[in-house]
Amino acid sequence: DVKVTQSSRYLVKRTGEKVFLECVQDMDHENMFWYRQDPGLGLRLIYFSYDVKMKEKGDIPEGYSVSREKKERFSLILESASTSQTSMYLCASSPFRLTSEAFFGQGTRLTVV
Amino acid sequence: GDSVTQMEGPVTLSEEAFLTINCTYTATGYPSLFWYVQYPGEGLQLLLKATKADDKGSNKGFEATYRKETTSFHLEKGSVQVSDSAVYFCALSDTRTTDSWGKLQFGAGTQVVVTP
Repeated sequence: DVKVTQSSRYLVKRTGEKVFLECVQDMDHENMFWYRQDPGLGLRLIYFSYDVKMKEKGDIPEGYSVSREKKERFSLILESASTSQTSMYLCASSPFRLTSEAFFGQGTRLTVV
Repeated sequence: GDSVTQMEGPVTLSEEAFLTINCTYTATGYPSLFWYVQYPGEGLQLLLKATKADDKGSNKGFEATYRKETTSFHLEKGSVQVSDSAVYFCALSDTRTTDSWGKLQFGAGTQVVVTP
């Protein structure tokens, strides 16, 4: 089975802190994604990567950055956390081909106080 | 840009009732369509998909048909169980260009509550 693992289920951070959310996948997938999930808004794409060291902005990249130094690992970075970034964060991966499904991690619920 | 609209919830049903969740989309081109399900406390998992017009996706008693003429992909199940209580997301993936591959556009999600 494909496994996408996020390093934390729950995080509480203070305003202004630098926050790292880690994601690892074990299926050698080329594509990796970070989504943010908020009630009534569904999932919104923050950043994605289709290869090592490659990254592309999604729909809501402001306040975030990413890092992909190895194929299996994709990190989301909140440079200076704000209360507006309190949310559920979901990592996903998919093979690099048309119509492929994405496989999701269990999510990290981040609270910024 | 591409978008997905699905009916708002929550949808509350009794066990063995018929479930329909409406989903319509706007896309330029020929997207693939998906239904994902999120059980409480978990990430999303693929429920079913359809890659071209008139395709029917099915899984676990759920079905959805890709209707290009009405730009719809409604989810149905004939007899729901308490274990079907979850949030259901309709999504599309643009297949036009290489840099679109794999990116999913999601609807807002519909919470379904099934009572015994």
